[in-house]
Amino acid sequence: GAGVSQSPSNKVTEKGKDVELRCDPISGHTALYWYRQRLGQGLEFLIYFQGNSAPDKSGLPSDRFSAERTGESVSTLTIQRTQQEDSAVYLCASSFNYNEQFFGPGTRLTVL
Amino acid sequence: QKEVEQDPGPLSVPEGAIVSLNCTYSNSAFQYFMWYRQYSRKGPELLMYTYSSGNKEDGRFTAQVDKSSKYISLFIRDSQPSDSATYLCAMKVTQGGSEKLVFGKGMKLTVNP
Repeated sequence: GAGVSQSPSNKVTEKGKDVELRCDPISGHTALYWYRQRLGQGLEFLIYFQGNSAPDKSGLPSDRFSAERTGESVSTLTIQRTQQEDSAVYLCASSFNYNEQFFGPGTRLTVL
Repeated sequence: QKEVEQDPGPLSVPEGAIVSLNCTYSNSAFQYFMWYRQYSRKGPELLMYTYSSGNKEDGRFTAQVDKSSKYISLFIRDSQPSDSATYLCAMKVTQGGSEKLVFGKGMKLTVNP
């Protein structure tokens, strides 16, 4: 019954390390999105999952970024060999009616 | 030119003021126009969305779309300190079976009591 949840809420890592971010969408929502929000910037689309269709990965900034989703449940966003420019808030959203996206609180990633 | 342009502010107004927030866009394929509110360290929440040109009102909030000018606005009447947040415009485009939202940078609003 709760909203979209994301974990961890904060992540500090060293440059070059891999990180994995998790998103639990609202139950029954078939669509799931990942966005990145850099300081002072709007949300930047990363990837979109819709049911069992092939995901739209057109927003992923490099091949260091990947995401998976099992069916209509949890999704993980993985960033390999993190760089300082990856520091941002990573937001996940889910949707069931194509108009309203419900956002989680985000994961604040800091790469030292 | 970015697809969606929004003045990032910040904007500071006294309680009770009428607030006007605006975005312009360049992509004629945008179909839905939305306003999100984002409190500090929270995810954005949808305030209003509209499809057609014209006005849509919800309580103290009015969303206005002018497709001919590619311009959208959000008006907040009788602004309250609790309205202090960042307001992001967003526009939805569906291409090739995929859909995504394109966001403005967000305008940080402070309503002073």
